[in-house]
Amino acid sequence: GDSVTQMEGPVTLSEEAFLTINCTYTATGYPSLFWYVQYPGEGLQLLLKATKADDKGSNKGFEATYRKETTSFHLEKGSVQVSDSAVYFCALSDQGLWAGNNRKLIWGLGTSLAVNP
Amino acid sequence: SAVISQKPSRDICQRGTSLTIQCQVDSQVTMMFWYRQQPGQSLTLIATANQGSEATYESGFVIDKFPISRPNLTFSTLTVSNLSPEDSSIYLCSVDTGGYSPLHFGNGTRLTVT
Repeated sequence: GDSVTQMEGPVTLSEEAFLTINCTYTATGYPSLFWYVQYPGEGLQLLLKATKADDKGSNKGFEATYRKETTSFHLEKGSVQVSDSAVYFCALSDQGLWAGNNRKLIWGLGTSLAVNP
Repeated sequence: SAVISQKPSRDICQRGTSLTIQCQVDSQVTMMFWYRQQPGQSLTLIATANQGSEATYESGFVIDKFPISRPNLTFSTLTVSNLSPEDSSIYLCSVDTGGYSPLHFGNGTRLTVT
């Protein structure tokens, strides 16, 4: 079945460092790919998404490119801030963005990021 | 978007008891979901809470252990019954506001069973 594999954490960086969190997936079709973020004490929220090959999702300085050839969707940020400290989840939906009454997400394990000043 | 209030935020329960988690949304939504996040594991969908009908459970989850109510379009409860230490997890409520919107999540309930 479909699956998502994320790099293990925790990841600890200094402020202004470059961030990469690896995410690879296995899917039989053409899934949509997501990064969700969970800040301390808060619920999960969508960070960015991509719906087809070569799409680049971006938000708050984060980027991820849907690479079908390598089945990857790595999250990157050029210069992290202390406020980026959170847990990041990679996820896929094999039912696209619009799936009526039956949308499910398949999740990675999550990667904890701590950014030190 | 949707604002979700999930209660309690955390609880410590004794083995054999039950815990009911509430999820309140500030707007009417068709689809509500309950997830579990066990320590060191990814989120797992427990069930889809349907308004006016029984919940739809995923493989490995049963109604006797995880009864769900969905009395209206803004509210749902998940009960975790006959608790054991293996039920210690974070439980998350999620809603689908339809169309191309992303899923919205509550802040989660951290359950510890002693």
